[in-house]
Amino acid sequence: DSGVTQTPKHLITATGQRVTLRCSPRSGDLSVYWYQQSLDQGLQFLIQYYNGEERAKGNILERFSAQQFPDLHSELNLSSLELGDSALYFCASSVGGLAGVKGQFFGPGTRLTVL
Amino acid sequence: GDSVTQMEGPVTLSEEAFLTINCTYTATGYPSLFWYVQYPGEGLQLLLKATKADDKGSNKGFEATYRKETTSFHLEKGSVQVSDSAVYFCALSYTDKLIFGTGTRLQVFP
Repeated sequence: DSGVTQTPKHLITATGQRVTLRCSPRSGDLSVYWYQQSLDQGLQFLIQYYNGEERAKGNILERFSAQQFPDLHSELNLSSLELGDSALYFCASSVGGLAGVKGQFFGPGTRLTVL
Repeated sequence: GDSVTQMEGPVTLSEEAFLTINCTYTATGYPSLFWYVQYPGEGLQLLLKATKADDKGSNKGFEATYRKETTSFHLEKGSVQVSDSAVYFCALSYTDKLIFGTGTRLQVFP
């Protein structure tokens, strides 16, 4: 158990809908990262937050957004969903600024299925 | 830009065989290097890491040595078990961001 929790575990929805994925980082970790894992694209970095502020952006679509709250949990919002958004979405956390030395710790993921 | 290249999978082995999964990297500086493992239906777990050249990371019988001269970080294990069947990801990092390889699936048969 990495200490990172994600809810829900599974999510099934229809095209055009909007969903919210939630992540709670390990106790004491200030950085939260979101990744998308699909069969054809592999593991793609989406976005990073550090202590409530956006720190880095990766291959995140404009239909997607995220935020980190004062209690450090984070939410990833996916809107106008398309079939191609079906994937595993992972959250990871790290001690701020030290992921390069100590690594990131991943949650169990949320499997999103868009029908 | 910085990148990580892993050998294509799947790697198929019999139990107790020797394992090598190749990983090479391209980087402008001196990153830290990581191996992550993803068991079926689970998230990624940090397996081992090395933060500078010639460092050897090790965990659960797996080892990898940071080779600056060959820009490599190959994963090895002397005797694999069926329970090692998983996808293995090599990654590099300078500060907060991880750059992952595409992953290599390992299948171990009894």
